[in-house]
Amino acid sequence: KQEVTQIPAALSVPEGENLVLNCSFTDSAIYNLQWFRQDPGKGLTSLLLIQSSQREQTSGRLNASLDKSSGRSTLYIAASQPGDSATYLCAVSGGKLIFGQGTELSVKP
Amino acid sequence: SQTIHQWPATLVQPVGSPLSLECTVEGTSNPNLYWYRQAAGRGLQLLFYSVGIGQISSEVPQNLSASRPQDRQFILSSKKLLLSDSGFYLCAWSEQGNYGYTFGSGTRLTVV
Repeated sequence: KQEVTQIPAALSVPEGENLVLNCSFTDSAIYNLQWFRQDPGKGLTSLLLIQSSQREQTSGRLNASLDKSSGRSTLYIAASQPGDSATYLCAVSGGKLIFGQGTELSVKP
Repeated sequence: SQTIHQWPATLVQPVGSPLSLECTVEGTSNPNLYWYRQAAGRGLQLLFYSVGIGQISSEVPQNLSASRPQDRQFILSSKKLLLSDSGFYLCAWSEQGNYGYTFGSGTRLTVV
């Protein structure tokens, strides 16, 4: 049974810092891995999708990497801003999309 | 472009009342459709998924049911709500194949 773990559960940083969010999964037989952002009381916004054959994806200040063999993914956020404050969710798809519990990020001005 | 619509945005219902949440997708055909629930302080739980009209798979035994009467319409229902049904319900779709998921804006259900 696939299990997805995200560390840390919560993170508070001052504006401008570069930061890394971690995601690990137990079953490497995945089709893809997706990072989402969720603002309080809102739906999920897809940030990056990494296919199983890819190593990383980039969008603006975001970079996500995937190491399928070790069951790990990281989301790197460069030059963090207060508007980045949200919960970040990692999810892996091996037929069904399985989510981690999320990392709650707070970026202080 | 594809869009996903989910309504209502919020709902307060008494225990024992029925429920109907609707989700529709535009701009694609034969999508995979999903219902997730996010309870307070907990992660996202897959409730139902559908790969075609009338084809529903249930992930969690409960008093909820799902139906797909049309290709791009997915409905979540209950005949009698329980307090434990409170939560944030999210509809999602994906294309057939190994593509990413797109989520709707969610319905906040409070059972009182």
